[in-house]
Amino acid sequence: AQKVTQAQTEISVVEKEDVTLDCVYETRDTTYYLFWYKQPPSGELVFLIRRNSFDEQNEISGRYSWNFQKSTSSFNFTITASQVVDSAVYFCALSEAGGNNRKLIWGLGTSLAVNP
Amino acid sequence: DVKVTQSSRYLVKRTGEKVFLECVQDMDHENMFWYRQDPGLGLRLIYFSYDVKMKEKGDIPEGYSVSREKKERFSLILESASTNQTSMYLCASSSGQKYNSPLHFGNGTRLTVT
Repeated sequence: AQKVTQAQTEISVVEKEDVTLDCVYETRDTTYYLFWYKQPPSGELVFLIRRNSFDEQNEISGRYSWNFQKSTSSFNFTITASQVVDSAVYFCALSEAGGNNRKLIWGLGTSLAVNP
Repeated sequence: DVKVTQSSRYLVKRTGEKVFLECVQDMDHENMFWYRQDPGLGLRLIYFSYDVKMKEKGDIPEGYSVSREKKERFSLILESASTNQTSMYLCASSSGQKYNSPLHFGNGTRLTVT
């Protein structure tokens, strides 16, 4: 069965610390996509990144980086030198080619608080 | 930039009322979605639509219906609101037929049913 697990419900860090948000997924498909979304206090979920199952290259975008490892079925998200504006709920999600192709399987989210 | 607009940010309704939540997107997206978000339960899909007048049930459709008469507008209807439908409702849209299209979300409607 498909599943996305974000084991960390809440994380609290002090500004400038590095923080990693974990995402572990389960799927039987060989073709799938993984996503990260950010939900700041304003409420609107914002798309951050998409990764397909055939591309295990790590991705870096400014202070954000993503580590995709098929061997451990993980797609972890690291924020380097965190800032207060990074405070948000972060969701990991999975989309499979073989399933209903417009449905995403969501993790429950990790609430990140970055304190000054 | 894609804009998804939900008609109300906050809504308070009484038990038994018929409630309409409206969502409009301005990027000609084929797919539109309604989710509800509750603490500890994450995002749960209520209904989605992949074309005008087309709809499919999501994971929790009971107590809800939807309408998509125009491509840009997707309405969520609570036929007879109940207190267990108090929640944050999120509308989203995405393009094309592919399963890998990112979702674009509105700001959400926080509905309270008393």
